[in-house]
Amino acid sequence: DAGVTQSPTHLIKTRGQQVTLRCSPKSGHDTVSWYQQALGQGPQFIFQYYEEEERQRGNFPDRFSGHQFPNYSSELNVNALLLGDSALYLCASSLAGGTYGYTFGSGTRLTVV
Amino acid sequence: GQQVMQIPQYQHVQEGEDFTTYCNSSTTLSNIQWYKQRPGGHPVFLIQLVKSGEVKKQKRLTFQFGEAKKNSSLHITATQTTDVGTYFCAGPRGSGNTGKLIFGQGTTLQVKP
Repeated sequence: DAGVTQSPTHLIKTRGQQVTLRCSPKSGHDTVSWYQQALGQGPQFIFQYYEEEERQRGNFPDRFSGHQFPNYSSELNVNALLLGDSALYLCASSLAGGTYGYTFGSGTRLTVV
Repeated sequence: GQQVMQIPQYQHVQEGEDFTTYCNSSTTLSNIQWYKQRPGGHPVFLIQLVKSGEVKKQKRLTFQFGEAKKNSSLHITATQTTDVGTYFCAGPRGSGNTGKLIFGQGTTLQVKP
């Protein structure tokens, strides 16, 4: 049973560029959430997708956008990258409502230079 | 806004000693979840507590949910080097059980062999 798969694992981008991160949820899960984790901090909620729609959003600017596809996979897009966007981006999947906890992927380490 | 706080931030113990981390929410939680993140890894779901006063055990780990459903604790008996990592508590925003998880800042456990 495949867990959550994220790609790429590492990425280096220049300020002002755009980036797309990808996530395939655990088999059987239909809900995907994205988190940003700065070094030494807890994960911060970006947004959640269910039935191809953004269901909830955290305190992140509109530069952060996403998408969910019919097969439940998801993308996170960040435009006009800032140095402060450097972080570990985690994808977490769950069944609708996350009633039984979230399964996290290994994350994408984004470095903005 | 809703906040989840954890203490202590760091804990160094000798192998075989006990360890406890405490989690406090500014609001009543419908449930509390605990995750473990190994150095360089991603959060891994440990357990979810739902009922007021609930106590659950997983081998050497004991989890408690407070009567008011605003606080929780994780106690590890006789720590081992495999317990090294950061332990996060997390609760859902709002009264429901969907969407945004708010994470504490974590307690990092170091175990000296």
